[in-house]
Amino acid sequence: DTAVSQTPKYLVTQMGNDKSIKCEQNLGHDTMYWYKQDSKKFLKIMFSYNNKELIINETVPNRFSPKSPDKAHLNLHINSLELGDSAVYFCASSQDRRGQRIRTDTQYFGPGTRLTVL
Amino acid sequence: GESVGLHLPTLSVQEGDNSIINCAYSNSASDYFIWYKQESGKGPQFIIDIRSNMDKRQGQRVTVLLNKTVKHLSLQIAATQPGDSAVYFCAEKIAWGTGANNLFFGTGTRLTVIP
Repeated sequence: DTAVSQTPKYLVTQMGNDKSIKCEQNLGHDTMYWYKQDSKKFLKIMFSYNNKELIINETVPNRFSPKSPDKAHLNLHINSLELGDSAVYFCASSQDRRGQRIRTDTQYFGPGTRLTVL
Repeated sequence: GESVGLHLPTLSVQEGDNSIINCAYSNSASDYFIWYKQESGKGPQFIIDIRSNMDKRQGQRVTVLLNKTVKHLSLQIAATQPGDSAVYFCAEKIAWGTGANNLFFGTGTRLTVIP
């Protein structure tokens, strides 16, 4: 009955590889997000996505791409991994504020995926 | 115990005491604020939120105060317990990109409760 889930929890890989992190939410939310948390615990938004639009933080390299097969999933693909990509990646979801009966704006986070690039 | 979230990232309090975690936000146009708690190895967990048309909101053992004049937010935890030990983040909602509203997080404050 986990609300927002991510797989894998840990991911260790070599530089230059391509990897994906999966995210699923069962809250019926229509907006999903990816965040990156660095070693100093700073949380930075990478993407915001709903079925209407993808908003990309301009500081995110184009090696990162979110892909949403359906409303409940937003996967993160990373190409040509670099050492600096090592971090914890969090998926989150929320209901668009136009969903009046559901708490709006609040984002619910997954447990995180710790990515280590060697 | 009291801390300034952005300049003193750690706070230690005795079990049973009240804790105050402070946060300075950046955008005077922000209209929604949230406090999250992040325990070790877990994702941020919603604690309490407040909209800009309010200056105080209370939950169970937690109170959030908002001072828009000085762009300051605080989280007060009553009778702090060992289970409250975590990193606490404030976040503000800012219009971003094509108008989508997203959360921007502060630096975080690590709260340690001493038994």
